Amino acid sequence: DIQMTQSLSSLSASVGDRVTITCRASQSISTSLNWYQHKPGKAPKLLIYAASRLQSGVPSRFSGSGSGTDFTLIISNLQPEDFATYYCQQSYSTRTFGQGTKVEIK
Amino acid sequence: QVQLQQSGPGLVKASQTLSLTCAISGDSVSSNGATWNWIRQSPSRGLEWLGRTYYRSKWYSDYAVSVKSRITFNPDTSKNQFSLQLSSVTPEDTAVYYCARGYSGYDDYWGQGTLVTVSS
Repeated sequence: DIQMTQSLSSLSASVGDRVTITCRASQSISTSLNWYQHKPGKAPKLLIYAASRLQSGVPSRFSGSGSGTDFTLIISNLQPEDFATYYCQQSYSTRTFGQGTKVEIK
Repeated sequence: QVQLQQSGPGLVKASQTLSLTCAISGDSVSSNGATWNWIRQSPSRGLEWLGRTYYRSKWYSDYAVSVKSRITFNPDTSKNQFSLQLSSVTPEDTAVYYCARGYSGYDDYWGQGTLVTVSS
């Protein structure tokens, strides 16, 4: 099985900050990497697919990059509604999620 | 617009079988382009993919190693839905369970989630 590692379980940030969340795969997954936002009581929301492609309707302050084993999600100009937990997910071989990174208010 | 509507009990006794159903509208469970996934979320484990079922001239299923010996998926083309059965549950299986459509390598539509509590 492919393991996904998000090095930070949580981070604190302020509205307007630029936030970087990283994710590492245990083997190369090309660009088969997705990012989801999860808020309590709601279903996870797809933000980025294929490492860098913005899902329809998602604000452009979200961006993704990377290939192979190392990936990054950037939220520029953090907004109040962005405080949530972010998960990476590989889709190279079935599915595996990272452990999640919770973005908290500083 | 694809919609997934989950149903099933929110309380299951330990050692029994957890059963949930996901009814699909706006797509077909036997679509050649989609996969139909079950995912759960708990505070201790975060999001955990449990497996998927899909149709490519015949039915296939893939399961996560962590639950492979206890899990079964059943697609129902007559009702356009798919179900999850997880046997021999323990309190560790307490979680919010989601169904989701997989398409082109990502999961784009999700059910509303069902909190299932396993009582000992």
